[in-house]
Amino acid sequence: EAGVTQFPSHSVIEKGQTVTLRCDPISGHDNLYWYRRVMGKEIKFLLHFVKESKQDESGMPNNRFLAERTGGTYSTLKVQPAELEDSGVYFCASSQVIGGTEAFFGQGTRLTVV
Amino acid sequence: GENVEQHPSTLSVQEGDSAVIKCTYSDSASNYFPWYKQELGKGPQLIIDIRSNVGEKKDQRIAVTLNKTAKHFSLHITETQPEDSAVYFCAASSGDDKIIFGKGTRLHILP
Repeated sequence: EAGVTQFPSHSVIEKGQTVTLRCDPISGHDNLYWYRRVMGKEIKFLLHFVKESKQDESGMPNNRFLAERTGGTYSTLKVQPAELEDSGVYFCASSQVIGGTEAFFGQGTRLTVV
Repeated sequence: GENVEQHPSTLSVQEGDSAVIKCTYSDSASNYFPWYKQELGKGPQLIIDIRSNVGEKKDQRIAVTLNKTAKHFSLHITETQPEDSAVYFCAASSGDDKIIFGKGTRLHILP
C-alpha cells in the first residue's frame, strides 16, 4: 500500500511568486493534515481536512496560504505571493480516524523562497 | 492552547548506552502522546505512542513513560545503535484533531 506522497520534494522560488504543493494521502484516509517546520523550530500544525471539509484551519499563518481538497482525495496548498519567511519543510499527514490514532506523514516538501 | 516543551535539543550518546528525551505538556486535556523519528530526507515516522490511561509502554529497545500529574512524558532508548541516529519529536493531542509537536531532539550515536 502506498504511503502519503508529496510533490514536489523541493521547490525554490523567488519572493512574490506562487507555489502549489500537492499531497496524496493514503487511500481511504478521511483525515488530511498540513504541517510546517521552519528551520530549527517545532513542526507546527496548519490545518486539518475531514474529507473535503476544513475541520480546523487555525494554524494557517495568513491569507496568502490557501488549502483545498476537492473531492476529498488529494490536497493542494498554495502560497501566493510567497515571502521569505514561508521557507521551510511542509509536511502532509493522513489518518483514518480522528483522535489518538496514528497519523502517517509524507516525506515533506522543502520550500525555499529567495 | 497546548504547548509541548522538549529537552535536550541535541543528545550524543555512546553506542550501546541509553538515551533519554524528556517532554512536558501544558493542556491537561491531552490524552494521546506519540513519538516520531525523522531520518534525513524523510517525513516523521511514528515509533511508539502512549495514552493517558497508561503509565508506561515498552516496545523492544524503546519505552515511554507518562506522568499525568506532572504533565511529563519521556522516551527511553536502550542499547543504542547507529541507526538510532535521527531527530526525535514528542507530541501531544487531546484527541480532537491536531497533534502539537515539541521542537525535536537531534540524537547522535557515537561509535
